[in-house]
Amino acid sequence: QVQLQESGPGLMKPSETLSLTCTVSGGSINTYYWSWIRQPPGKGLEWIGYIYSGTTNYNPSLKSRVTISLDTANNQFSLKVTSVTAADTAVYYCARESHYSDSGGHPHFYMDVWGKGTTVTVSS
Amino acid sequence: SSELTQDPAVSVALGQTVRITCQGDSLRIYYASWYQQKPGQAPLLVIYGRNNRPSGIPDRFSGSSSGNTASLTITGTQAEDEADYYCHSRDSSGNQRGVFGGGTKLTVL
Repeated sequence: QVQLQESGPGLMKPSETLSLTCTVSGGSINTYYWSWIRQPPGKGLEWIGYIYSGTTNYNPSLKSRVTISLDTANNQFSLKVTSVTAADTAVYYCARESHYSDSGGHPHFYMDVWGKGTTVTVSS
Repeated sequence: SSELTQDPAVSVALGQTVRITCQGDSLRIYYASWYQQKPGQAPLLVIYGRNNRPSGIPDRFSGSSSGNTASLTITGTQAEDEADYYCHSRDSSGNQRGVFGGGTKLTVL
C-alpha cells in the first residue's frame, strides 16, 4: 500500500525559499504523476503542479516561483517556492495522480493517494 | 478564478439523495474526479472516471457527466457524509494543467 509523507519547515519568514519533500513508501515513484496541492486556511484546494517522467507543469499563478523535482534514488519528490509571502501560508499536500485511457484512447486523471499534509506558516 | 465552478454550499436531509455539481469547459473532454474532505483531514478520492469508486468507498456515492457538467450523487446520505467536496480535472487550455473546483460544503440536516 503506497503511502506519502510530506516534510519541511513549519514556520518561515517572508522572502525565504520554501522547500518541501514528499517521501513515497510502499511503491515505486516511476510511471505516475506526482503532484503538489495547497490549501490556505479556511479556503479551497489549489493545484500547484506536477512532475511526470521528468516533465513538469505548474499553476500559471505560481509558475515563476515554483520548481518540482524528482529523486528516484530516494523515492522522493520535492517542491520549492521562492520569495514566500504570507499568501503562501497553507497546508501543503503531496499526492499521486494516476491515469487511464478510455476506449477512445483519451486519458483521464485522478489523485488516488494523498499525504496527510504539512502546515507552512509565513510570518515575520 | 477557478475554471471549475461548484455551488459553495448544499444541504440534504438525512437519508435523502443529494447531487453536487461541477461545471467547466474541460469537462467536455475530461472526466472529473471527486474528493471528500473532512475538517483537519486530507482529501479522499471518492469517484473517478466515468463512475468508478476506489476500494472502501460506499456504493451510495456515484458520478455522472453530461456536456460541461459533472455530478457527484450521494444516495441515502449519512451523517458522516457531511464534508467539503471538490472536483478536479485538467484545465481547458490544452496545456494539461490541473484545476480544482472551489468546493461545496455539504450539510446533512
